[in-house]
Amino acid sequence: DAKTTQPNSMESNEEEPVHLPCNHSTISGTDYIHWYRQLPSQGPEYVIHGLTSNVNNRMASLAIAEDRKSSTLILHRATLRDAAVYYCILRDVSTGGFKTIFGAGTRLFVKA
Amino acid sequence: NAGVTQTPKFQVLKTGQSMTLQCAQDMNHEYMSWYRQDPGMGLRLIHYSVGAGITDQGEVPNGYNVSRSTTEDFPLRLLSAAPSQTSVYFCASSLSRGGYEQYFGPGTRLTVT
Repeated sequence: DAKTTQPNSMESNEEEPVHLPCNHSTISGTDYIHWYRQLPSQGPEYVIHGLTSNVNNRMASLAIAEDRKSSTLILHRATLRDAAVYYCILRDVSTGGFKTIFGAGTRLFVKA
Repeated sequence: NAGVTQTPKFQVLKTGQSMTLQCAQDMNHEYMSWYRQDPGMGLRLIHYSVGAGITDQGEVPNGYNVSRSTTEDFPLRLLSAAPSQTSVYFCASSLSRGGYEQYFGPGTRLTVT
């Protein structure tokens, strides 16, 4: 199963954009890129996912490199409520995406 | 709908005891899975199921059993609890293919003394 690499932590100021990077150099053509976040003492929460094209939803944007070996989660205006651990994971459609591997994620600190 | 529910929220066991962690979803999802999360770590996959009657092992299956008799329920059984199984356990569900998001339950915090 392809793995992802993320920085351990990042810091942002409130109301500024945040760009969270993820490297996935061994990604296969059938891997979807998913992002989840986990607030303290809660289960992970889905943020966004994509395959090849950039994606936008009400929570965030996902920018995918042309070679798909990296991606960036963009929070357009960070709030204190966005302080969480963000996980970038790959789910393989061809195998059903069953063996989802979570790394340690990026802990995002947001300063007021 | 309630989404993914887990019971109990907290549990303390003595070494050697057995118990079952319950997980249920009301979204008619085919895929369900169990993860454990140790302090400061990411989630590790224990077991998963792709439908009623079908289960398979994840990364860390030793010491745990699962079964899937209905689409809705996916219990996790600890056969003989050990201190190394102290962790937070999360259940998740999704439609069967990797292009769909997973929905997670609120977790069960288990302490084994």
